[in-house]
Amino acid sequence: NAGVTQTPKFRVLKTGQSMTLLCAQDMNHEYMYWYRQDPGMGLRLIHYSVGEGTTAKGEVPDGYNVSRLKKQNFLLGLESAAPSQTSVYFCASSGAGGGSPLHFGNGTRLTVT
Amino acid sequence: AQSVTQPDIHITVSEGASLELRCNYSYGATPYLFWYVQSPGQGLQLLLKYFSGDTLVQGIKGFEAEFKRSQSSFNLRKPSVHWSDAAEYFCAVGFSGGYNKLIFGAGTRLAVHP
Repeated sequence: NAGVTQTPKFRVLKTGQSMTLLCAQDMNHEYMYWYRQDPGMGLRLIHYSVGEGTTAKGEVPDGYNVSRLKKQNFLLGLESAAPSQTSVYFCASSGAGGGSPLHFGNGTRLTVT
Repeated sequence: AQSVTQPDIHITVSEGASLELRCNYSYGATPYLFWYVQSPGQGLQLLLKYFSGDTLVQGIKGFEAEFKRSQSSFNLRKPSVHWSDAAEYFCAVGFSGGYNKLIFGAGTRLAVHP
């Protein structure tokens, strides 16, 4: 049982380039999330989805877009990368019940030069 | 506004010593409470959670946490630390309603000396 799988694990971009981070979960979870982790700031929610075909903004959505075309996949896109988007990105999924714990992937380390 | 505070950025303990990591939250009602652990290069793993009932909850790897409503705290404890416990620990507060919103503390990095 793989849980939550993120690809790629590492990526270096130049300012202005675009890329898509992929997240897949095999737990049949309804909810999926994208967080970014920066030193001293914990995890901050970028976007989330409560079901296939639905997405919503989190705490820090600017500069990112997401799509959830299939229940098991949640994609995070950067259309024009900026150095401020250098971070570690985590995908997570959870059941729909109140307080259901989040299950995390192993992260993608992104550097924008 | 809802917030989570982990007052200690770094903690160093000796192997075999006891451990307590502090977590305080700000919220008008009783939230869902979680502790996660993150080993280097890994994602976050759930240690334990509190929803209601007994205020002392047991988790994996020998950890426990106690919810104290009067202090708005949810401190994590372990009676005897092992070298493999060196990691970063995150307290999180959850709220239902639309989605499982979690607010994370900034984390406490634990170092274990032999």
